[in-house]
Amino acid sequence: GAVVSQHPSRVICKSGTSVKIECRSLDFQATTMFWYRQFPKQSLMLMATSNEGSKATYEQGVEKDKFLINHASLTLSTLTVTSAHPEDSSFYICSARGVVGGVLETQYFGPGTRLLVL
Amino acid sequence: RKEVEQDPGPFNVPEGATVAFNCTYSNSASQSFFWYRQDCRKEPKLLMSVYSSGNEDGRFTAQLNRASQYISLLIRDSKLSDSATYLCVVINGYSSASKIIFGSGTRLSIRP
Repeated sequence: GAVVSQHPSRVICKSGTSVKIECRSLDFQATTMFWYRQFPKQSLMLMATSNEGSKATYEQGVEKDKFLINHASLTLSTLTVTSAHPEDSSFYICSARGVVGGVLETQYFGPGTRLLVL
Repeated sequence: RKEVEQDPGPFNVPEGATVAFNCTYSNSASQSFFWYRQDCRKEPKLLMSVYSSGNEDGRFTAQLNRASQYISLLIRDSKLSDSATYLCVVINGYSSASKIIFGSGTRLSIRP
């Protein structure tokens, strides 16, 4: 089946630094990629949706200048958490949706990135 | 009202039991429905799609009731490994830009 990779899987950084998370679709072209955040014991919260070659669409309450998303190709999207603070500590999950075997598929999730800001 | 609602549980059932949970959705125009499974500290993984005619995959049966706007998941002969959070997913539309909405999940715990 379709596979989505995410890197890094875990990152610890100091407050004020920026962290970049990569999301790749490995064997299909992702026309749309999604970035989610999940706090402990809570549900997935969609942060933004990005289509290849266009600007991301952010959900209400998500600061686009703080969470920079780049979807430069059909297989790669990046999320940069700028000037990270402890409250940004969370589990960030990307997912990708595209055509697999000629069929528009549902989305496949990356393994997630656990961010801890000290 | 949330677009997709699930009973958060937790459902705590003995091994071998049958357990079922529902998920309701508010948009009557919703097109596609799925059940995902999420283990603790892991990403969600697709469990099964939900078709209008209902579908079965081993011990798992998914059903869709468009009139009442809910989907259900039935797990028979539950195993310890079934312990997880089950997320209901609804997609409004067929394009890649269609909005995908997650339920908050139902926690299931299977005890020996």
